[in-house]
Amino acid sequence: DAGITQSPRHKVTETGTPVTLRCHQTENHRYMYWYRQDPGHGLRLIHYSYGVKDTDKGEVSDGYSVSRSKTEDFLLTLESATSSQTSVYFCAISESEVAGHEQYFGPGTRLTVT
Amino acid sequence: GDSVTQMEGPVTLSEEAFLTINCTYTATGYPSLFWYVQYPGEGLQLLLKATKADDKGSNKGFEATYRKETTSFHLEKGSVQVSDSAVYFCALRIYNQGGKLIFGQGTELSVKP
Repeated sequence: DAGITQSPRHKVTETGTPVTLRCHQTENHRYMYWYRQDPGHGLRLIHYSYGVKDTDKGEVSDGYSVSRSKTEDFLLTLESATSSQTSVYFCAISESEVAGHEQYFGPGTRLTVT
Repeated sequence: GDSVTQMEGPVTLSEEAFLTINCTYTATGYPSLFWYVQYPGEGLQLLLKATKADDKGSNKGFEATYRKETTSFHLEKGSVQVSDSAVYFCALRIYNQGGKLIFGQGTELSVKP
């Protein structure tokens, strides 16, 4: 299994509070991704990183920011959590953006915003 | 835009039945195609992939063939087991936008003894 951990694994927070989720990898892969999983939508990309300090938006990036100060860590921040951000969040890594390379997924973080 | 459409679930089968989960895609480029599986409470695991037309991906008895002419990548297994109960995701990946995956909505499979 690829060495990917996510923390916390579960979190309940209140509307309006900031929340940071962490993804940590031990594979030294260049690309890292944050997806959210919602019923009926599969997984959708929030943000991704193609190197230290290099990030870009995905299709559902509003209300989220990311940072990558080290190769191994990719942080996702909800600046002011809303109930619509209740979801399961997955981090993924890949050594290349070449289409044939697979992405490896972390175990997920279940976030509930009350 | 690029997209993936899967058959809706849940799909309920008896053990040893034949499985087909349909997947079709729309892509402007030339994608690679993937099937991922998610067991309850876990992350996604790659089940199989195909990177060019007519390629067949296979793993653990599951197969899927990349059909460019019908833009399809249907998942099949000849004899399912209870342990195959999971959610299956079809996805495509193209060489831009950081190589993001575009997923179908997922198909839940339940196999009864």
